[in-house]
Amino acid sequence: KAGVTQTPRYLIKTRGQQVTLSCSPISGHRSVSWYQQTPGQGLQFLFEYFSETQRNKGNFPGRFSGRQFSNSRSEMNVSTLELGDSALYLCASSARQGTTGELFFGEGSRLTVL
Amino acid sequence: EDQVTQSPEALRLQEGESSSLNCSYTVSGLRGLFWYRQDPGKGPEFLFTLYSAGEEKEKERLKATLTKKESFLHITAPKPEDSATYLCAVLDYNTDKLIFGTGTRLQVFP
Repeated sequence: KAGVTQTPRYLIKTRGQQVTLSCSPISGHRSVSWYQQTPGQGLQFLFEYFSETQRNKGNFPGRFSGRQFSNSRSEMNVSTLELGDSALYLCASSARQGTTGELFFGEGSRLTVL
Repeated sequence: EDQVTQSPEALRLQEGESSSLNCSYTVSGLRGLFWYRQDPGKGPEFLFTLYSAGEEKEKERLKATLTKKESFLHITAPKPEDSATYLCAVLDYNTDKLIFGTGTRLQVFP
């Protein structure tokens, strides 16, 4: 069974640009959540989607947005990139309908903003 | 505000030298406490779920325990392949959000 797939794995952008990251969950998983991981802050919750609906949102500015498609695949977008957005962005999926801590993570997309 | 604090930040052990990692938490309503392992360049890998004080879970050389204020991850006779960052997270009933600690980086030397 294939795991959570995130693309691209690495990317470099400059300040002011925007970026779109993609996540394909484990087959059959309908819940997808996104996290930002930095050395100083650890993993911080961005948002969670279930059946194309955003179910929960973390404390990030509106520059961070996401969506989920009917096939459960998800994308997140960051507009007007800032240096502080450099991080590992992790996507996780779950088979459970309710919010759970039993998540299956992808390997992440490492974003560097110059 | 929910908080999860892990200690120590880093731990170096000799192979076979048992130890414990700590995760203390402040949450208004604990729905579950979760342990993950993260290897460099990889996403976290789920290890255990604990729901109530007194609960214990075991997997190979790892045992997780839970009290009302903290959780311990006990590592018995660790091997070099146990080297990783161990993350703890709590799920709050009221916010429905998963809050992670910043992890303990474990290095086991042969």
